Amino acid sequence: KQEVTQIPAALSVPEGENLVLNCSFTDSAIYNLQWFRQDPGKGLTSLLLIQSSQREQTSGRLNASLDKSSGRSTLYIAASQPGDSATYLCAGLPQGGSEKLVFGKGTKLTVNP
Amino acid sequence: EAQVTQNPRYLITVTGKKLTVTCSQNMNHEYMSWYRQDPGLGLRQIYYSMNVEVTDKGDVPEGYKVSRKEKRNFPLILESPSPNQTSLYFCASSTDGNYGYTFGSGTRLTVV
Repeated sequence: KQEVTQIPAALSVPEGENLVLNCSFTDSAIYNLQWFRQDPGKGLTSLLLIQSSQREQTSGRLNASLDKSSGRSTLYIAASQPGDSATYLCAGLPQGGSEKLVFGKGTKLTVNP
Repeated sequence: EAQVTQNPRYLITVTGKKLTVTCSQNMNHEYMSWYRQDPGLGLRQIYYSMNVEVTDKGDVPEGYKVSRKEKRNFPLILESPSPNQTSLYFCASSTDGNYGYTFGSGTRLTVV
């Protein structure tokens, strides 16, 4: 059964720091991977999608990469801001025709002014 | 605006009283899914649908029903809700898996 681990579970940093969130899958056969942001009590906002033929995606201060050989993904946030405070979730779509996104439990990020 | 719309956003109900949570998407997506989110357990798939009249169970389907009579709508039905179904529910849709999923804003359900 595919399981997803996100490290760290929580992270508190001062404003302006560059930071890395990690995500790893027990089964490296991942078709694609999505990073989401969730604010308290709110829905999931898609940040980046790494499609099956891609290894990396960038949007503004965010960069996500996926190493399919190891089943690991990282989300890099540059120059963090208090508005980045949220829970970040990674989700993979396993290969083999499954339509079930498998989620990690998230990293709760707090960026202090 | 492209979106997935869930209603209601908040619902408090009593054990055994049938309820329906609606989900609608305006993106002509083929795939739709329901997930529940619980502290310490993360998000788990309840049911999914790959097209009209095609539905299948996810990881935690017990106590839930779904239907897909139209492409845009995918309601979640709790025939006899119980307190262990208290959770935050999300509907999601996708063109196909390779283009990622769009999630609704969530429905917070409390069963007392």
